[in-house]
Amino acid sequence: SAVISQKPSRDICQRGTSLTIQCQVDSQVTMMFWYRQQPGQSLTLIATANQGSEATYESGFVIDKFPISRPNLTFSTLTVSNMSPEDSSIYLCSGTDRDRDGYTFGSGTRLTVV
Amino acid sequence: QKEVEQNSGPLSVPEGAIASLNCTYSDRGSQSFFWYRQYSGKSPELIMSIYSNGDKEDGRFTAQLNKASQYVSLLIRDSQPSDSATYLCAVRTGSGGYNKLIFGAGTRLAVHP
Repeated sequence: SAVISQKPSRDICQRGTSLTIQCQVDSQVTMMFWYRQQPGQSLTLIATANQGSEATYESGFVIDKFPISRPNLTFSTLTVSNMSPEDSSIYLCSGTDRDRDGYTFGSGTRLTVV
Repeated sequence: QKEVEQNSGPLSVPEGAIASLNCTYSDRGSQSFFWYRQYSGKSPELIMSIYSNGDKEDGRFTAQLNKASQYVSLLIRDSQPSDSATYLCAVRTGSGGYNKLIFGAGTRLAVHP
């Protein structure tokens, strides 16, 4: 299966600041996805990132708040901008599994905004 | 109506029993369905995928799909305490070059000795 390295694994940030989360895949994947998972909740898709084009955002998520970079087929970043305590959550990146259908996830970033 | 619905549980089964997890979806055009397992504090891991009506077996796991009823299920035979986790149903939606996975809220499974 594809291996996705995600960092940081956790961070505590001051409100009003920004945090950039990075995901590195060990193989080329066409599409990468960014999800948010709030405590005890399921995964909510933030956006889909294709290489070379702007990310496609889901309803309720905007580029100014969650800018995404996808410079090549093995790397993507998500920035959480101007953070507030409501942004405290686990953020997960995901990409296509090279060995079988379905998506593989990074290990997640646990973000706490104080 | 939520796109993917699951009972949140917890579903409690004794060790060795069959655990049955259910999921319904709203997009009749969906063609791909997945079951993920998520342990507390960990990221989801793919268990199975299913695309055609009927059953698909992989070890102790059997996925069942009924597109007419828009229903997907996962059976876990000979349940073990190590199977205790949250099980997420996911449906791939979209068309052309743009697809995405939509997740249900998950069912928490507790297997007790």
